[in-house]
Amino acid sequence: QKEVEQDPGPLSVPEGAIVSLNCTYSNSAFQYFMWYRQYSRKGPELLMYTYSSGNKEDGRFTAQVDKSSKYISLFIRDSQPSDSATYLCAMSETGANNLFFGTGTRLTVIP
Amino acid sequence: EPEVTQTPSHQVTQMGQEVILRCVPISNHLYFYWYRQILGQKVEFLVSFYNNEISEKSEIFDDQFSVERPDGSNFTLKIRSTKLEDSAMYFCASSETRHSTTEAFFGQGTRLTVV
Repeated sequence: QKEVEQDPGPLSVPEGAIVSLNCTYSNSAFQYFMWYRQYSRKGPELLMYTYSSGNKEDGRFTAQVDKSSKYISLFIRDSQPSDSATYLCAMSETGANNLFFGTGTRLTVIP
Repeated sequence: EPEVTQTPSHQVTQMGQEVILRCVPISNHLYFYWYRQILGQKVEFLVSFYNNEISEKSEIFDDQFSVERPDGSNFTLKIRSTKLEDSAMYFCASSETRHSTTEAFFGQGTRLTVV
């Protein structure tokens, strides 16, 4: 069963904090793992994209994938109020096609 | 910056009516997708479309749904006879290819309300 689980939060942190967002999944065929950011009443915007296991860093964002544990994480360093949004994990067997999303975690960064 | 454009932003329709949701994908993209998000639930894949035909569809995408690329720019989702449970945010997305090196760009969504 292709299920993706994500804690919906909400999560509130002070500005400057390190944020950790996580998802678990059950389908071992997933190879491509993404994190999307979604502002209220907007479409998902891709933040990070990782293939298979490992880490990827982009500025203040780090994505980690542990395929053996079927667990992915997104870390946000030095969080800013502008990071306040809903963060969606997504994954697929074949890249951009047929993405399976988590429920999203609503993050608020308090100034 | 190129973007996926969806119209209308909000559509209200009566149960049993047909609706057409419209999307203009990014111009050099070849793969097109529809997703939906029922309020408070996950974003769910509906269908992918390539070379003027459906390449993959989910269980949600039953005979009530159809997709079309009527011209070189538009990509549409038609719901033949809407039900209350079709009320959701519908997102169109496009990508250069379906494979790993490209991302899917999402539009702003059309909020469909069936009354």
